[in-house]
Amino acid sequence: AQSVTQLDSHVSVSEGTPVLLRCNYSSSYSPSLFWYVQHPNKGLQLLLKYTSAATLVKGINGFEAEFKKSETSFHLTKPSAHMSDAAEYFCVVSDLGGYSTLTFGKGTMLLVSP
Amino acid sequence: DGGITQSPKYLFRKEGQNVTLSCEQNLNHDAMYWYRQDPGQGLRLIYYSQIVNDFQKGDIAEGYSVSREKKESFPLTVTSAQKNPTAFYLCASSIFGGEQPQHFGDGTRLSIL
Repeated sequence: AQSVTQLDSHVSVSEGTPVLLRCNYSSSYSPSLFWYVQHPNKGLQLLLKYTSAATLVKGINGFEAEFKKSETSFHLTKPSAHMSDAAEYFCVVSDLGGYSTLTFGKGTMLLVSP
Repeated sequence: DGGITQSPKYLFRKEGQNVTLSCEQNLNHDAMYWYRQDPGQGLRLIYYSQIVNDFQKGDIAEGYSVSREKKESFPLTVTSAQKNPTAFYLCASSIFGGEQPQHFGDGTRLSIL
């Protein structure tokens, strides 16, 4: 069975400061992990994915995430927040080793103030 | 440009009425999915299909039905048996395989009159 926990429902930062969105996962197999972003009334856009290659994954718009197996974590970071980063972010897990559906976290709303 | 088109963007349902949400993709993806999104709940899987003429129930299939007669199309019907249908519905598609990322449409917001 797979599950994912996003540790914060809301995160507030000031423009130009670092962003940290936390995600812990549980998986029976070697997982694939994803971060998606959703702007209001829109679909989800893929930010980045981890599929057992490099543990530090770089994504679009300056975001990156580090896979830490010992901590079962996949936290999303960005060195400097922009106003346009304000959105909801979803951490997602899928088991490898065969077909598997995705399991979504409940989301973290990122608020960016000027 | 390739992508997923959901229609309509907004939909209203009367009591006892069935409504159908459209999802079309031109990405040549084998797999397609329907999710329901409620505030603070994340996305929950309703139905998915790996191949034409085949589909499986997800976590919350009760009160919904689907068909997959063409590779490009995966319509979702919200039946009168779904007692709380007000939600944002998202359609997605992917290449077959759990490690493959899913591509999403822009959603349909369904409300009850």
